[in-house]
Amino acid sequence: QSVLTQPPSVSAAPGQKVTISCSGSSSHIGNNFVSWYQQLPGTAPKLLIYDNNKRPSGIPDRFSGSKSGTSATLGITGLQTGDEADYYCGAWVSSLSAVVFGGGTKLTVL
Amino acid sequence: QVHLVESGGGVVQPGRSLRLSCAASAFIFSGYAMHWVRQAPGKGLEWVALISYDGSKKYYADSVKGRFTISRDNSKNALYVQMNSLRVEDSAVYYCARGPLYYGDYSRFDSWGQGTLVTVSS
Repeated sequence: QSVLTQPPSVSAAPGQKVTISCSGSSSHIGNNFVSWYQQLPGTAPKLLIYDNNKRPSGIPDRFSGSKSGTSATLGITGLQTGDEADYYCGAWVSSLSAVVFGGGTKLTVL
Repeated sequence: QVHLVESGGGVVQPGRSLRLSCAASAFIFSGYAMHWVRQAPGKGLEWVALISYDGSKKYYADSVKGRFTISRDNSKNALYVQMNSLRVEDSAVYYCARGPLYYGDYSRFDSWGQGTLVTVSS
């Protein structure tokens, strides 16, 4: 069981918007930055969001991140079939000196 | 463009050892923290270990503490993980990933290698 809680799966139609939640506690999300990763089938993960809501260069603004209290959310607008992937949230746990990930959310674009 | 290439994976018996390497290029390796992250077949991501930019700080997941040792050679732009007393549950694709420049948010992995598969089986 992962320290950060994500829904196992979400789905939406092309062109629609979807949100993926990541729930934690004050030990990690509440007092540290959250990052989000996209893992397309058969490939290595890719950084989508860092510092809760910043996008690396090259990541389209269809992807957004937010954090409130002990939860974080990844938003994806204008869904494309190419967005079908597993999405993971991650955070540093200062008390453990460790990184924790959510269990991952499989996005299906119907 | 940042390039990370893992090597050293393979099939190993339980209780044996294996050393993975990660060759880095196209960035100033000595300025960045580095991580190992693994993913068992069909499972999610699991952080394994972190080493600071200068090698002075090392952190491990509880699941590997005392068995794995992360190290780096900044003169060779290389990252390593020595894995001892391997268990069946250590079977996974192992990725090296770049962390922050000097100090920063350690959950930020901005570049990843393609991974190397480790299979622990008798």
